[in-house]
Amino acid sequence: NAGVTQTPKFQVLKTGQSMTLQCAQDMNHNSMYWYRQDPGMGLRLIYYSASEGTTDKGEVPNGYNVSRLNKREFSLRLESAAPSQTSVYFCASSEYISRVDETQYFGPGTRLLVL
Amino acid sequence: EDKVVQSPLSLVVHEGDTVTLNCSYEVTNFRSLLWYKQEKKAPTFLFMLTSSGIEKKSGRLSSILDKKELFSILNITATQTGDSAVYLCAVPNVLIQGAQKLVFGQGTRLTINP
Repeated sequence: NAGVTQTPKFQVLKTGQSMTLQCAQDMNHNSMYWYRQDPGMGLRLIYYSASEGTTDKGEVPNGYNVSRLNKREFSLRLESAAPSQTSVYFCASSEYISRVDETQYFGPGTRLLVL
Repeated sequence: EDKVVQSPLSLVVHEGDTVTLNCSYEVTNFRSLLWYKQEKKAPTFLFMLTSSGIEKKSGRLSSILDKKELFSILNITATQTGDSAVYLCAVPNVLIQGAQKLVFGQGTRLTINP
């Protein structure tokens, strides 16, 4: 099993450009998440998808959109990149069942630099 | 507002030392607390704690939760250079449509010098 995969690994954009970060998981998980990680800030939730066909905003959704393409894939789009979106982006997934012992599994991350 | 605070933010020790990392939290509807280790890339899961006073152990790493005082500690004994990483503490809060929203602390950057 590959677990959670993300592409690209690294990207440089100019202000105003758009791009889509791709995420896929092969664990048959229902819930998927996008986080960003900035120095000294921990990980912050951008958007999540509790199950196929649903998406919801997290803590820091402004400037982003998401698409849950199918059960495996969850993409994050930056329509008009800004320097404040320079960050490391992590995708994660978890099982749908609301168990107390549920955990999230993370992808390797995408490092994005916006000039 | 839900909050997770870790301390120290950074720690440098020598190989063989024992370290204790701290995590305090303020979260409504507490269910569990998770510890992750993050080296260069993705956070990897270490422990999930749900009950007070029950130590979870994995090799040289151990962790315990105090639900009365709202904190957890992560201990690493006989540290090795491979333990160098950022250690993240996270607490799930509101369950929305079955998805757990994780609230993360800032992380503790641990550096083990040979």
